[in-house]
Amino acid sequence: DTEVTQTPKHLVMGMTNKKSLKCEQHMGHRAMYWYKQKAKKPPELMFVYSYEKLSINESVPSRFSPECPNSSLLNLHLHALQPEDSALYLCASSARTGASEGNRNEQFFGPGTRLTVL
Amino acid sequence: AQSVTQPDIHITVSEGASLELRCNYSYGATPYLFWYVQSPGQGLQLLLKYFSGDTLVQGIKGFEAEFKRSQSSFNLRKPSVHWSDAAEYFCAVGNYGGSQGNLIFGKGTKLSVKP
Repeated sequence: DTEVTQTPKHLVMGMTNKKSLKCEQHMGHRAMYWYKQKAKKPPELMFVYSYEKLSINESVPSRFSPECPNSSLLNLHLHALQPEDSALYLCASSARTGASEGNRNEQFFGPGTRLTVL
Repeated sequence: AQSVTQPDIHITVSEGASLELRCNYSYGATPYLFWYVQSPGQGLQLLLKYFSGDTLVQGIKGFEAEFKRSQSSFNLRKPSVHWSDAAEYFCAVGNYGGSQGNLIFGKGTKLSVKP
């Protein structure tokens, strides 16, 4: 199984709502990533988890709260978002233990969650 | 600092014509290079990758890319484009060992295909 799944596919929320995005992989990867992508732009890295520990936070506002409950799951909790947070949110994973250095760089992406904040 | 440049924002080719998308990188060590494709509203799909060895790499969907160290380039090619190839293409360089596997993306090249 070389698939990264994300739910929901689409999400519309108000600025006072609390919602969560979910990402799952069963490739045994021990690194997982959240990216934000605006239209006509490349993905921007938000968070990196390595061995279920947060290793990179790219100065993301606290209204985005990541969580990695186990090695297969990654969540992104959303609260009090702004309309400018509307974007495609992508999850990715990559190998760690036992992988070559090149393969540790290879990221597998999910289909994304299209988020609209009203 | 590492960087990736895709000089062409938008390219239009006729169906059946050949294609070359350019990518230049700046990286001190041997780079790990990737080409991803993204259809509208979708995630990124890996087309091909270069780690070491043969500098001409074959990927999925009939794509290939050539690594040229002297030119710091990793251009993507396809001999005959199909209408379904219309999408956004991203070149990326990996820097594991620095930021734990972060990918540095180029700004992307949008490919349009004329019938």
